[in-house]
Amino acid sequence: DAGITQSPRYKITETGRQVTLMCHQTWSHSYMFWYRQDLGHGLRLIYYSAAADITDKGEVPDGYVVSRSKTENFPLTLESATRSQTSVYFCASSESGSVRNIQYFGAGTRLSVL
Amino acid sequence: GDSVTQMEGPVTLSEEAFLTINCTYTATGYPSLFWYVQYPGEGLQLLLKATKADDKGSNKGFEATYRKETTSFHLEKGSVQVSDSAVYFCALRVSQGAQKLVFGQGTRLTINP
Repeated sequence: DAGITQSPRYKITETGRQVTLMCHQTWSHSYMFWYRQDLGHGLRLIYYSAAADITDKGEVPDGYVVSRSKTENFPLTLESATRSQTSVYFCASSESGSVRNIQYFGAGTRLSVL
Repeated sequence: GDSVTQMEGPVTLSEEAFLTINCTYTATGYPSLFWYVQYPGEGLQLLLKATKADDKGSNKGFEATYRKETTSFHLEKGSVQVSDSAVYFCALRVSQGAQKLVFGQGTRLTINP
């Protein structure tokens, strides 16, 4: 299916484990983003990528690692999961960095760290 | 820094009532403004946008006007339906920096029949 897809939709893990959340888009959009959604905070940017092999930190990058070897994929890795990383994670993409461009969101991954 | 402040929820209305969800912002430069909607169990969907002062965005009966003088982008709908029950996010995007969206905290709207 075309669009932006995230996997898994739900994940339960334990403190200290490594977890990778996947994001795939079929539009060949240049920009991709990872946000986390927490009650009272709205969505906050973790990392973003302007193109393949170009990534940069957002507002809350600590404890996360990203890569972008291909334009269509933008995985997010929690190297050693902590309880504070329990959240809903959203991936998004946009055609360019223009302020007018719409960001399109995936359905999200709900992560619980026990 | 750039920020968005939204009317706190939750908001509960009866069907066919008039809706206003307030949104104000602080930004450097000339932001674009957006309203996103999140239905239960789903990701965020763009509801409407405005890219310059005095622009009015509209979609599905919802409207919002970009007011630079009051730094506001309030969401309105004349007659809400049960199907409008969702969480609504106001957001801005600025031209410099991370090209990110800056979100408000979200407003949960429940419409009762």
